[in-house]
Amino acid sequence: SQTIHQWPATLVQPVGSPLSLECTVEGTSNPNLYWYRQAAGRGLQLLFYSVGIGQISSEVPQNLSASRPQDRQFILSSKKLLLSDSGFYLCAWSYRTVRGNTIYFGEGSWLTVV
Amino acid sequence: GQQVMQIPQYQHVQEGEDFTTYCNSSTTLSNIQWYKQRPGGHPVFLIQLVKSGEVKKQKRLTFQFGEAKKNSSLHITATQTTDVGTYFCAGPSGSARQLTFGSGTQLTVLP
Repeated sequence: SQTIHQWPATLVQPVGSPLSLECTVEGTSNPNLYWYRQAAGRGLQLLFYSVGIGQISSEVPQNLSASRPQDRQFILSSKKLLLSDSGFYLCAWSYRTVRGNTIYFGEGSWLTVV
Repeated sequence: GQQVMQIPQYQHVQEGEDFTTYCNSSTTLSNIQWYKQRPGGHPVFLIQLVKSGEVKKQKRLTFQFGEAKKNSSLHITATQTTDVGTYFCAGPSGSARQLTFGSGTQLTVLP
């Protein structure tokens, strides 16, 4: 079966510090990978998606970046965090072949920028 | 671009009452999906609807896809405290690799 792991689960970072959130998927090959952000009590905002190694599409201009160094690894980074970067970050995957685009989410990472 | 609107944003019900959330897309959808996010948790896939006018049931949950494939609803009969959470609808967008999520309906069930 397929599983998705995301870490760290929670972190508190000072303004201006760097960020690295990591996500790995197991049990499938060539998945589409996604990073979403969810502000407290709000909806899901797509930040990045990737259809393959080194292929990243950005949906929202910001001080965040994403990388996919391996087929099943997706990393979300920032060089300098802003207060507005606080939120719940969700990594997710879907099958590369279109199977209805169902998206499977990781357990998320709570980021508080102070 | 495509927009998916969901109402209501919040709903408080007494345990045992029914609940419905509605989803409307600005464009025709090839399919629509529903997800549930428990408080403090991550969204979990519930169901996908593909056919015009399709109705699917999962125990006390009934999902409908409109005839024009631009709207959908989720109805919960006799809510329980375990139904608490935010319900999102989502439809394919872009190259169909992406999903556009509605803003969600946050359901509170009062015991």
